[in-house]
Amino acid sequence: ELVMTQSPATLSVSPGERATLSCRATQRISSNLAWYQQKPGQAPRLLIYGGSTRASGIPVRFSGSGYGTDFTLTISSLQSEDLAVYYCQQYNSWPLTLGGGTKVEI
Amino acid sequence: EMLLVESGGGLIQPGGSLRLSCVASGLSVNSNYVTWVRQAPGKGLEWVSVIYTGDNTYHADSVKGRFSISRDNAKNTVYLQMNSLRVEDTAVYYCASGIGFYDYWGQGTLVTVSS
Repeated sequence: ELVMTQSPATLSVSPGERATLSCRATQRISSNLAWYQQKPGQAPRLLIYGGSTRASGIPVRFSGSGYGTDFTLTISSLQSEDLAVYYCQQYNSWPLTLGGGTKVEI
Repeated sequence: EMLLVESGGGLIQPGGSLRLSCVASGLSVNSNYVTWVRQAPGKGLEWVSVIYTGDNTYHADSVKGRFSISRDNAKNTVYLQMNSLRVEDTAVYYCASGIGFYDYWGQGTLVTVSS
């Protein structure tokens, strides 16, 4: 099974600062990677797919990069509403697998 | 507007069975991948099962042989039949739609397995 590892587990960032979240796959997955945001008490929301394509309605401060095994989600200027847990998910092969999440604290 | 609504959760004893439903509107379950993802209390997301074109299905190893997924195209509904439930199956179960990645999600239904 392909394992996704996210780091750090928790990230403390001040408003207006840049946040950088990492996701690593145990096998190469091309660009078949998605990022989700989950706020407390809510369902996940798709942010990025294809490694770097923003989903509909996602602010430009969210960007994704990477290919193969190493991926990054960057929030260029953190806003208070970005407090959430962020998950990466590979869809290159079954079973689909998700990372353990990075909690972003303001 | 695309909408997914889950139902069928509740309290069930270990070893019991439960069937979850995911009713879709604004999209056809017959022509989309529909998946179930669960989240145990205070934990991360875990992918569970998917049904896609041609009635193909796939399940996580943790539920293989106990859970099955099916759909009723006339009702535009996907079901998750959960048998031999274990305490560790306790979670909020979300259904979601997309192809590989999931851009539409329901609000989830809570399944509690406890004696």
